[in-house]
Amino acid sequence: AQSVSQHNHHVILSEAASLELGCNYSYGGTVNLFWYVQYPGQHLQLLLKYFSGDPLVKGIKGFEAEFIKSKFSFNLRKPSVQWSDTAEYFCAVRPNNDMRFGAGTRLTVKP
Amino acid sequence: SAVISQKPSRDICQRGTSLTIQCQVDSQVTMMFWYRQQPGQSLTLIATANQGSEATYESGFVIDKFPISRPNLTFSTLTVSNMSPEDSSIYLCSGTSGRDYEQYFGPGTRLTVT
Repeated sequence: AQSVSQHNHHVILSEAASLELGCNYSYGGTVNLFWYVQYPGQHLQLLLKYFSGDPLVKGIKGFEAEFIKSKFSFNLRKPSVQWSDTAEYFCAVRPNNDMRFGAGTRLTVKP
Repeated sequence: SAVISQKPSRDICQRGTSLTIQCQVDSQVTMMFWYRQQPGQSLTLIATANQGSEATYESGFVIDKFPISRPNLTFSTLTVSNMSPEDSSIYLCSGTSGRDYEQYFGPGTRLTVT
């Protein structure tokens, strides 16, 4: 079945550590790719998106993601995390008109 | 950016009853969707709300349980019928902008079934 996979369920880092969250998808053809963040008790917020062009996408709050078409991947990165980055992160893929979400990765940043 | 509002924002309902959630979007949105986010889980697509016709449901969701209407471009409703505690979730309305193809989400409706 076609899917969006986030392999890390829970990541725990110390402040200033580097972050990389994996996202792989199994949809063929052209897709739009997204990363969303959900802070505790809040609703979804778009971090960044990729539609076309430069496969290295920069988003808000210092996040970036790289689309590697050959690997069907769209990994999220941040060079130095902060305690305020503690949240749930969702990768999402839009193969047609409807968006499909990964299971999410909970990030805990220790001060 | 598109603005999506939902009401109610939250509700506590008794088993066996039904709740209708309303979603209002501004004119930039062309396609509309309903998602469910169960406690501690990711978002699952329930259906695509089609204007003036029956919604397109995802596997595992049926019209009898989750009837959806979209009488015009800017308004949709989702009804959760014959509720059970397993229906306790956040229900989110979402829309795709026809201008920038951005996807926007409403604030969600937190439903608790007792």
